[in-house]
Amino acid sequence: DVKVTQSSRYLVKRTGEKVFLECVQDMDHENMFWYRQDPGLGLRLIYFSYDVKMKEKGDIPEGYSVSREKKERFSLILESASTNQTSMYLCASSLFGLVSYEQYFGPGTRLTVT
Amino acid sequence: DQQVKQNSPSLSVQEGRISILNCDYTNSMFDYFLWYKKYPAEGPTFLISISSIKDKNEDGRFTVFLNKSAKHLSLHIVPSQPGDSAVYFCAASTPTQGGSEKLVFGKGTKLTVNP
Repeated sequence: DVKVTQSSRYLVKRTGEKVFLECVQDMDHENMFWYRQDPGLGLRLIYFSYDVKMKEKGDIPEGYSVSREKKERFSLILESASTNQTSMYLCASSLFGLVSYEQYFGPGTRLTVT
Repeated sequence: DQQVKQNSPSLSVQEGRISILNCDYTNSMFDYFLWYKKYPAEGPTFLISISSIKDKNEDGRFTVFLNKSAKHLSLHIVPSQPGDSAVYFCAASTPTQGGSEKLVFGKGTKLTVNP
């Protein structure tokens, strides 16, 4: 059974803190993604990675960076957290070249920046 | 520039009736479309998909229709059940600069099925 796990379900951080969100998948997928979900805005892609140490910017990369040192792990980093980064963060993975392009999602991390 | 549009933020139907969720897209290069369902405090789960070479795909109570000329797709749920109450996201697949693929999501439609 496919599984994507995220390090925390809920997180509260202060403005200016450096925040790490971790995502691990056990499906040997090449592609991994970070999204944020906000009411009325849907799912917006922050960054994604299609191989170890390879990354591409998504639609809203400002204020974020990512790290992928191992195939199964993809980290999202908020260099200096701000209140407008309060959101639900979702990690996903997919198999490269799969015709269906299906992505598997983790349960999400609800981040609050105060 | 929103490439995938779900113009109805919410939809309410009675149990047993049909739910129709709509999605429009602007990029004619999109060739694969997916629907995801999301419950509160959970990640989205894949529901059904359709390739652009088809105009219909069916899986149990769920059917997706694609009208390429109109750049429109719809998800039909028949019969609707209270457990179907969730946010539904339409997504389209598009290639990336690195030769991989990513999904472009709509903003979602919140479906409420009333008992």
